[in-house]
Amino acid sequence: QKEVEQNSGPLSVPEGAIASLNCTYSDRVSQSFFWYRQYSGKSPELIMSIYSNGDKEDGRFTAQLNKASQYVSLLIRDSQPSDSATYLCAVNPKGRQFYFGTGTSLTVIP
Amino acid sequence: DAGITQSPRHKVTETGTPVTLRCHQTENHRYMYWYRQDPGHGLRLIHYSYGVKDTDKGEVSDGYSVSRSKTEDFLLTLESATSSQTSVYFCAISESTLTDTQYFGPGTRLTVL
Repeated sequence: QKEVEQNSGPLSVPEGAIASLNCTYSDRVSQSFFWYRQYSGKSPELIMSIYSNGDKEDGRFTAQLNKASQYVSLLIRDSQPSDSATYLCAVNPKGRQFYFGTGTSLTVIP
Repeated sequence: DAGITQSPRHKVTETGTPVTLRCHQTENHRYMYWYRQDPGHGLRLIHYSYGVKDTDKGEVSDGYSVSRSKTEDFLLTLESATSSQTSVYFCAISESTLTDTQYFGPGTRLTVL
C-alpha cells in the first residue's frame, strides 16, 4: 500500500469553478500535511500546510484535513487558467521523511 | 526557489560513467534532501542530510551516494550511471527538522544513454 494516494486525473474545471483535489494516506500517526503546486518543467512550490483537523484557508485555497478518515483535500475557489498545474500532496509521518503522492493534473478551461 | 541552486541543470551522459550533481543553498538550513521524480512514481527520496557529514538513506538510495562537507552544499553522486537513473533530480531544504516545510530547487534533468 502506498503511503500517499492521489487521483492522477486529469481534472478539468471551467474558469471560475471550484476545483477539488483529494489525497488519502496510510499512516495513522501522520502529523503534517502539505500541498505543492508544480507547473510543467518546474519545481514544486508550497501552497499550504495543515496540521490540525478542519479547514485552513489562504486566499482562494482551502485545505481540509480529516485524520479519522486519513483524508486531506485542497479546494481552489474561482479557478483561473493560471491554476492549471499538477498538485502534489505530501504527508509527514511522525519522525519520518516526507512521502509524496504522484500528483493530480488540473486543467482550468477558459 | 528559496535560495537554492542546482548544477548542472541539464546533463546527458553514457551508461557506466560517474555523475555528480550539486545543490547549493544560501538559507543556512540544517536539512537537505535529494529526490528523483519519475512519471507514475512521483517524488521519491534518495538521501538526506541533517548536518555536515550527517546523512541517511531514503527509499531509493541504491546506486547513489551523497556527501555534505559544508552546510551550504550537498552533492549527489551516481558512481556508475545506468539508464534507470534517467530522471529529474530535485534538491530540497528544510530549516531544522524532518517535519519542517521543504523548499525545492529548480531541478536537474539527467539523461543516461
